[in-house]
Formats: sequence, C-alpha cells, structure tokens
Amino acid sequence: GAGVSQSPRYKVAKRGQDVALRCDPISGHVSLFWYQQALGQGPEFLTYFQNEAQLDKSGLPSDRFFAERPEGSVSTLKIQRTQQEDSAVYLCASSSVLGTEAFFGQGTRLTVV
Amino acid sequence: DAKTTQPTSMDCAEGRAANLPCNHSTISGNEYVYWYRQIHSQGPQYIIHGLKNNETNEMASLIITEDRKSSTLILPHATLRDTAVYYCINAGNNRKLIWGLGTSLAVNP
Repeated sequence: GAGVSQSPRYKVAKRGQDVALRCDPISGHVSLFWYQQALGQGPEFLTYFQNEAQLDKSGLPSDRFFAERPEGSVSTLKIQRTQQEDSAVYLCASSSVLGTEAFFGQGTRLTVV
Repeated sequence: DAKTTQPTSMDCAEGRAANLPCNHSTISGNEYVYWYRQIHSQGPQYIIHGLKNNETNEMASLIITEDRKSSTLILPHATLRDTAVYYCINAGNNRKLIWGLGTSLAVNP
C-alpha cells in the first residue's frame, strides 16, 4: 500500500473487554513502532519491532498490553480487560531503517466506556 | 520527559515565513534534531531532521545553532494547510522518540 494502514479507525469497547488493533506497515519496512496519544498530549512510545523481533517494550503501561508481529509485517496491539484510562489514539509507524523518517498511520481511536 | 522545550502556540499570516524555535540544551553529540507535525485528527508527519548542519527539503528548512543547543524550523511561505502542532525531538535514531507538547501553529488568512 501507499502508506501505513491502521484498523479499525475507531473502536468503542466496554470496560473489561479485550481489543485488538491492527497495523499494516509500508511494504518492506523493517522497523515498526506503536505509540499511545492521550487527548491534548504528544505521542508516548509503547514498543518497537525490528522485523519479527520485539526489541523494546519498555513503554507498555501494564501486562494487559501485548504486541506481536509474527511474520515481520503486520502487527497487532492487544489490550486485555480494557480500562477507561486506556482511552487514547493508538498510532503505528514504520521505517525502512533506523535514523530515517518514520511514517505514521492515521491511528485508531479507542474509547473505553 | 521530553528533552526539548517549545512555545505552546504561535500565529503566522498566510504567505509569510513561519519560524518555530526549539531549545534542546541537553542534546547529546550523537542525537539528531527531528521535526514532525500533526494536523488535527491525523497521524504525525515527518518534516525534516539534522545533526549539526543546516538542512533544507521541499517542506522546510532547519537551522541548528553552532552549539546545537537550539534550532529553528522555517516554513518559508506558510499556507492554511500548515496549521498543525509541530514537534521538535532529540533522538539518536527514530527507535524511541520522546515527544513533548509541541507548538500549535495557527496560520491565519
């Protein structure tokens, strides 16, 4: 595809429900990143993949958050037992190599009610 | 915490140059200065980055002071579509970008 694609664009979840957010990076991009952006704030780093290897997951806020990229392409961010404080926009980005520009998707807006 | 400081908001008249400052007094020798912007309800968009030399591309120019403690992003002829939040970030690579609150730029007709 032409850019990073995220789905769904909007997700409403009841508190306690599990959700899965999908990211399709630009074809051939080795690096993939997930960020969380609360309303009125800058994005906050969650995790980073190089191919299928999750090299940094230091930003994941709790063990309810899990990310995977099993074949080094599509990635899924899973949030178990969602809570209201998980409400945010979840951004995915990819890049061809480290140090160059990261291309961001439009994000998934998660609202937990 | 973000390692850069930026003004909260700025205004610019359409067609004029927009000069967005950023202070990064604690930048390390191997860290780049990255600029991204985020238009409302969209994902961030890369603008430009540099290490110590001034850089220019089709979107903007980046002026980095000789001591590397501050920089200025210049949009030479701002348009209404340049209205966005502009983020200045110091990082050794794009692996883990630490974002602040950025500068909200309003381009006025």
